[in-house]
Formats: sequence, C-alpha cells, structure tokens
Amino acid sequence: GEDVEQSLFLSVREGDSSVINCTYTDSSSTYLYWYKQEPGAGLQLLTYIFSNMDMKQDQRLTVLLNKKDKHLSLRIADTQTGDSAIYFCAEKGYALNFGKGTSLLVTP
Amino acid sequence: KAGVTQTPRYLIKTRGQQVTLSCSPISGHRSVSWYQQTPGQGLQFLFEYFSETQRNKGNFPGRFSGRQFSNSRSEMNVSTLELGDSALYLCASSLGMTGIIYEQYFGPGTRLTVT
Repeated sequence: GEDVEQSLFLSVREGDSSVINCTYTDSSSTYLYWYKQEPGAGLQLLTYIFSNMDMKQDQRLTVLLNKKDKHLSLRIADTQTGDSAIYFCAEKGYALNFGKGTSLLVTP
Repeated sequence: KAGVTQTPRYLIKTRGQQVTLSCSPISGHRSVSWYQQTPGQGLQFLFEYFSETQRNKGNFPGRFSGRQFSNSRSEMNVSTLELGDSALYLCASSLGMTGIIYEQYFGPGTRLTVT
C-alpha cells in the first residue's frame, strides 16, 4: 500500500520553532495524529486533528491540515531540548497507519 | 488513571521458541491493538481486539495470534520465532466505540530479541 511520508531528520536550535511535515495517503481519513517517542519508550499521543478542521492549536503545538494536498504539519513553538524525540504522524484507517518518523534534534 | 501496561518489558528468546506478551489497557478501554516496530519497517499493525473478538487484522503470518479476556486484558503470541521477529511490540488501548473521538494510547512496549 501507499506510505505515509515524513522527512527523516530535523535539527533546530533551542528557542526556535520546529516544523515537522507529513504527507498522508487516505483522503477519507477522519482523524490525523501526531505521536512522540522518546528513546526506550512507547508512543505518546501529542495531538490530533479532525479532517474537517484546517488548524488546531494546543499550547506550544500547532497542527495545520491541507486536505487538498494531503499534507499535515506540526509546529512546535519555543522548542526545548526536552522536545528531542522521534515524531510520528498517523492517519486512521481501520488501524493507525504511521509514517516512519522524524527525528528531531534540539541543540542548545 | 493508570496507563497502558505491558509485560514483560524485555525478552530474549531463541529461534523456534514461542513467546507470549501481555497488555493491560487503560481502565474502561475495551479495544486493544498491537503493533510491531522495527527500524526497517517502522510501525506495523498486527491486530485489534474489542470485547474479546478480533475486529481487525494486519498483514502478518498466522504465527502471530492474540486474544482478549473479559477484563479487556490482551495477550499476543508468536510461535516458531524467527530472527526477523526481533522488534518492539507495542500495545495500544482505546475506548473502541464508533461515533466517538478515536484516541489510542500506547504502552511502553515489550522489546523482544530473538537469537
């Protein structure tokens, strides 16, 4: 089947904004998700957006959805070293279909 | 509320053996899904159980099986282990009912190493 696509790596400086991009496959997906995985841990649900929304803001996190291009992005404002992790986007079919993850490195 | 728990956290097995992994969902959650995470394939869906019935299944061989108990706890079993089964196995729980927001919460995973 088709893959959910994400860039593999992103490096930002502490205090800057991070933008992680994702292209999903199924235009009929009702929900799109962002998960965070720290080393040796499971996946933490960060936020999600319903497909009839264009934007969702949740504290430092902003999710943008472009349904026409099947493009999803996660913006992290004022990125901190504790935000260093792998970020996965996922679309909901009968299960969650994940991208390969974007490794975010935040440098001081 | 306690999160999703998985036992054991680490496991080392030999090729040809079988293994059983356990997952306890968040209290009140009736759906349990299992995923395999490997560096090469990423996160792949194994199966989902809801109210003791398998509701969905991914594209894995029959060596991978699961079940769910009346208290929603779930187990997955892998028989005749192969080296390629080495992975992080993640369990996720959700309320599971249709018509409500679908939020899936993951456990810390079981790291299985097959030698």
